[in-house]
Parts: sequence; structure tokens; C-alpha cells
Amino acid sequence: GAVVSQHPSRVICKSGTSVKIECRSLDFQATTMFWYRQFPKQSLMLMATSNEGSKATYEQGVEKDKFLINHASLTLSTLTVTSAHPEDSSFYICSARSQGMGNQPQHFGDGTRLSIL
Amino acid sequence: GESVGLHLPTLSVQEGDNSIINCAYSNSASDYFIWYKQESGKGPQFIIDIRSNMDKRQGQRVTVLLNKTVKHLSLQIAATQPGDSAVYFCAENTGGYNKLIFGAGTRLAVHP
Repeated sequence: GAVVSQHPSRVICKSGTSVKIECRSLDFQATTMFWYRQFPKQSLMLMATSNEGSKATYEQGVEKDKFLINHASLTLSTLTVTSAHPEDSSFYICSARSQGMGNQPQHFGDGTRLSIL
Repeated sequence: GESVGLHLPTLSVQEGDNSIINCAYSNSASDYFIWYKQESGKGPQFIIDIRSNMDKRQGQRVTVLLNKTVKHLSLQIAATQPGDSAVYFCAENTGGYNKLIFGAGTRLAVHP
């Protein structure tokens, strides 16, 4: 149980392109999903918290107009990197937390490697 | 032995030995802690969690110890196998919505 699917797994595109990444919880409902960014050999940095039916909460230093988040249903959140540039190249990972009482672990997708040429 | 690499500290162990991976967390108010395993090119995989009202929890071949006095968390892996080779992250829950803050990570290298 608690499977999170992320798509696509890899994107290579030209500078200026907007890229959409999908994150789905396959066997559970997630009122909250999270988007992380990870550079090589570094830890995960939280970008934003995605809440179903409301606006996402962005971490300090993350541009909300650059990284658009939509959490339209209890099983789907999307991250759109708008007008991507080479410095946006990174490994983007989503996670979802199942509904339930008390603390619940976040379950992660397998990430999207974004390469901007 | 344990060494500090260019970016990630690395713990090298022999297959069959026990491994201990350590983590210092930052927020004394954190109430929930998780260990994740990340293999190359994949997302983190949940291993084990522990709440702040406990100091030890055991799973299959893994044990997590929590010392709130010194804000220290450790992951013990018994009879380490080559398949355990990965980067291990501790994460602490702080604030609402179960927002996780990840540690720097430790690379575990298991040698035959």
C-alpha cells in the first residue's frame, strides 16, 4: 500500500519551455502532498506543501509564480515549472501523506529528473 | 569505517556486519522522526518511524533509537546486506501538516 506515482520520470527540454510534473497517490487519498527539489549528492529541500482545494504553501525563497502547484483532487497534485531555464535543472520529488489520526509517514514518488538545455 | 566525503559522509561496512547510521536533528519541538532509504535515481523509501514519546522502535532488521536529551537519532541495521547500499536520510516532523525537514544524509556502502 501507500504507492505514489510520479510522471514523467525524465524530461529534457529547451530553455523557456514550461514543464508539468504529475504526482498521484494510487491507493490512498492525500489531502496534503509535498514537492521537494534535490541536487546531486545533497538532501531533499522542501519547496511547497500542496493542499487539496486550496492554495499551496511555499517555502521561503521559492517563487510561487515560477513553480505553479495545483492540487485538484485527493489523488493528484501537479507542479509546473514555468519558463524553465538551465538553473532549474534538478531532481524533483513529490510525496503524499495518507489521511489518518496522528503522525503518518510521507510516501515518495520516484522523482522527475528535469534537464533544461 | 566512517569518513566524510566531498558531499555526503560515507559509512563502509562488510556484508553481515551491523551498521549504525547517526543523525543529529535541530528542533527540540519535533515530535515525529522517520528514516528513509534512497537508491540512486529513485525517491526515498520509508524504513521506520518513531514518535517522540518513545526512545526505541524495532522493525525487521532495523532499530531506531531516539535520544531527545541530545537531539540524536540513530538507525541500526542488523546483518547488513549488499542490497542495503544506499543513501539514508533522517527526517524530523516540525510544525503542522507533518512538514518534514531532512538531514544531510549518509551513504552506506556494503562490501562483500
